[in-house]
Amino acid sequence: NAGVTQTPKFRVLKTGQSMTLLCAQDMNHEYMYWYRQDPGMGLRLIHYSVGEGTTAKGEVPDGYNVSRLKKQNFLLGLESAAPSQTSVYFCASSDTGTTVEAFFGQGTRLTVV
Amino acid sequence: SQQGEEDPQALSIQEGENATMNCSYKTSINNLQWYRQNSGRGLVHLILIRSNEREKHSGRLRVTLDTSKKSSSLLITASRAADTASYFCATAPNAGNNRKLIWGLGTSLAVNP
Repeated sequence: NAGVTQTPKFRVLKTGQSMTLLCAQDMNHEYMYWYRQDPGMGLRLIHYSVGEGTTAKGEVPDGYNVSRLKKQNFLLGLESAAPSQTSVYFCASSDTGTTVEAFFGQGTRLTVV
Repeated sequence: SQQGEEDPQALSIQEGENATMNCSYKTSINNLQWYRQNSGRGLVHLILIRSNEREKHSGRLRVTLDTSKKSSSLLITASRAADTASYFCATAPNAGNNRKLIWGLGTSLAVNP
């Protein structure tokens, strides 16, 4: 049982480049989340989804887009990367939202130079 | 915005000692969750305590919840070097939007052999 899998694990981008982070879960969860984690700032929610075909903005959505075309996948896109987007990105999923535990991926460390 | 605040920010103890971390929050909650994050890894769920519960145990972990004081504590007994990690509390709001957890900034625990 893989749980939540993120790809890639590491990436270096140049300013202005684009990329997509993939999150896949095999637990048939409805809810999926993208967070970023920066030193001293804890976890901040970027976007989330409450089911296939739905997305919603979190605390820090600017500069990111997401898509949930399939229930098991949640994609996070950076259209034009900026150094401020250097961070560790975590995907998480849960069965019924916040009333139960969330399962996290191992993270993607992104550096924008 | 961060609702949970962990205290202390950092804690260093000797193996075998107990470690206590506290979390305070501001609004009415459905539940409060504790997670552990080892360095460079994703978050792992430890315990979920609901608003009508006062105490929960899981192995060497004991969590208490005082809704009148809007606070929770995580006690790790007989600590081990492997308990070295960051510990985060997350609260699930009670009313309205139950889709997003609100995260604290974490307590960094170092257990010295």
